[in-house]
Amino acid sequence: GAGVSQTPSNKVTEKGKYVELRCDPISGHTALYWYRQSLGQGPEFLIYFQGTGAADDSGLPNDRFFAVRPEGSVSTLKIQRTERGDSAVYLCASSPRTGRGNTEAFFGQGTRLTVV
Amino acid sequence: GNSVTQMEGPVTLSEEAFLTINCTYTATGYPSLFWYVQYPGEGLQLLLKATKADDKGSNKGFEATYRKETTSFHLEKGSVQVSDSAVYFCALRAGSQGNLIFGKGTKLSVKP
Repeated sequence: GAGVSQTPSNKVTEKGKYVELRCDPISGHTALYWYRQSLGQGPEFLIYFQGTGAADDSGLPNDRFFAVRPEGSVSTLKIQRTERGDSAVYLCASSPRTGRGNTEAFFGQGTRLTVV
Repeated sequence: GNSVTQMEGPVTLSEEAFLTINCTYTATGYPSLFWYVQYPGEGLQLLLKATKADDKGSNKGFEATYRKETTSFHLEKGSVQVSDSAVYFCALRAGSQGNLIFGKGTKLSVKP
């Protein structure tokens, strides 16, 4: 497809379980971002990849959260021992260059995670 | 640290009314500024952007001017339509970072 694709669109999991959220960026985009959006709030930055490496992971809230991008394309956000407070919409975005300045970031529709 | 503050919603207007959504920012250096829009059931889309002081971004009848002296980037439209109903997010990208910093969003509802 032409846009950023995120799967699944919805995920319900039990407290304490492990979840993986997938992001397929736009082909050729080197920069990839993960954000978390809670109800009534703006997206909050989690982690930024430039190619295969995490250029900035300062937004990850704790060590239960981890993300990978092994081949510089698809990325997976992994959450261990989920808590009810992790419930949110997780957004992925990609951009064609380093993300500096005025480069546009293209967003997926997000994965809505509900921890029960 | 860097942050964005935008007016709280919801904002309800009649069709053809004038729209202003206020946005102010705090940032070190010279950030780029953006407005993103989220239509019901869709992902975030870039609406407009500006990269330096006094730049005006415009798209689909919306405008915003980068005001460094007041650290503002207010969104305006002269005549809103029902199809403009959406959530609008102001955002900045600081010069040395790759990620966007968003405001909380303002929900706009336009009634016919």
